Amino acid sequence: AQKITQTQPGMFVQEKEAVTLDCTYDTSDQSYGLFWYKQPSSGEMIFLIYQGSYDEQNATEGRYSLNFQKARKSANLVISASQLGDSAMYFCAMREGPDNYGQNFVFGPGTRLSVLP
Amino acid sequence: DSGVTQTPKHLITATGQRVTLRCSPRSGDLSVYWYQQSLDQGLQFLIHYYNGEERAKGNILERFSAQQFPDLHSELNLSSLELGDSALYFCASSVAWGDRVTGELFFGEGSRLTVL
Repeated sequence: AQKITQTQPGMFVQEKEAVTLDCTYDTSDQSYGLFWYKQPSSGEMIFLIYQGSYDEQNATEGRYSLNFQKARKSANLVISASQLGDSAMYFCAMREGPDNYGQNFVFGPGTRLSVLP
Repeated sequence: DSGVTQTPKHLITATGQRVTLRCSPRSGDLSVYWYQQSLDQGLQFLIHYYNGEERAKGNILERFSAQQFPDLHSELNLSSLELGDSALYFCASSVAWGDRVTGELFFGEGSRLTVL
């Protein structure tokens, strides 16, 4: 079964607008971490933001925020004030398992975001 | 620069051959993960090593094997290569995940393998 689901293969957003990229996850662990990564066309993987399963507040990093709804098992990424440089593939990921032992770190299929001028 | 070094960056080989991809994690990181990314696909988790020991296995084929050495560098060995093995292979490292440590993965630039 898919552990990370990203239902939007592609998204378009106008420059300076906000956009939400969806992510739902599946785990039976109580302790887990959720991550978002950006992969521009150049191919490198860039870490954006992290949310721990016990964190009560939604994570924010500059223009990125994570809308964490634990009961619904969703961890949507919100990008505010989109810029042309935000055009990239975005991956949601989850780390589960006990500390330092047998940790699976799995990625969703990704959402390709295109920012329009 | 993530601090994770992967070599080679590009590799072209023929079906049936064997290749070795090398990864040097960030200084101090004990965990190394390997991923395969085929064209326009997501990242498929292959294997996780922690301080020299295999900790988790994903969708890694029997033709593939990996190890992490005492100096913490890791190698991914791909044998009896097939056309479908053409992909970008990423190595990533992380610190231990715990209190006040997010444990995000730091990725190398990847090794692009082309099997002809």
